[in-house]
Amino acid sequence: DAGVTQSPTHLIKTRGQQVTLRCSPISGHKSVSWYQQVLGQGPQFIFQYYEKEERGRGNFPDRFSARQFPNYSSELNVNALLLGDSALYLCASSLAGGRSSEAFFGQGTRLTVV
Amino acid sequence: KQEVTQIPAALSVPEGENLVLNCSFTDSAIYNLQWFRQDPGKGLTSLLLIQSSQREQTSGRLNASLDKSSGRSTLYIAASQPGDSATYLCAVPDPSNTGKLIFGQGTTLQVKP
Repeated sequence: DAGVTQSPTHLIKTRGQQVTLRCSPISGHKSVSWYQQVLGQGPQFIFQYYEKEERGRGNFPDRFSARQFPNYSSELNVNALLLGDSALYLCASSLAGGRSSEAFFGQGTRLTVV
Repeated sequence: KQEVTQIPAALSVPEGENLVLNCSFTDSAIYNLQWFRQDPGKGLTSLLLIQSSQREQTSGRLNASLDKSSGRSTLYIAASQPGDSATYLCAVPDPSNTGKLIFGQGTTLQVKP
């Protein structure tokens, strides 16, 4: 079975541009969460989606948005990119996204803003 | 507010040594605790999930323990190998936000041949 897949693997963007990152969860998983990880730190929660509804949001500006599709895949959009948005963006999937669910992560998208 | 801490930030050991990685959390009302491995520039690989009702979980050379009352978890790695070199992260669910995991900063392990 395929694990969590993310695309693209690497991305270089210019300040002020917009970017879309994609995630496909494990088959049968209905919840997708997004995290940002900067070098040397643990991942920080951005969003969680379950059954196409936003279930949780972290402390990120409105430039960050996401959505989940009927097939449970998800997109993370970041507008008006800043240098500080350079990070590894991780997607996690779980069966139902509840507090007792085990999370499985993808390989991440490395975003570099220049 | 739940906070997760991992000490030390880095650890270097010779091959073959048994070692313990530490994870502490401030709010003992956790549902579970998950340990992850992360290779440089890569995603997270789930190693072990301990539910709040469990005290230990084992997978191969890895053993994770959980003591909710003291707010601590340890990851024991037996007979370490150079291939174990990676960053190890622990995470707990945020009790106030369904689906949000709160991570420690990680412990970067180097196992020298």
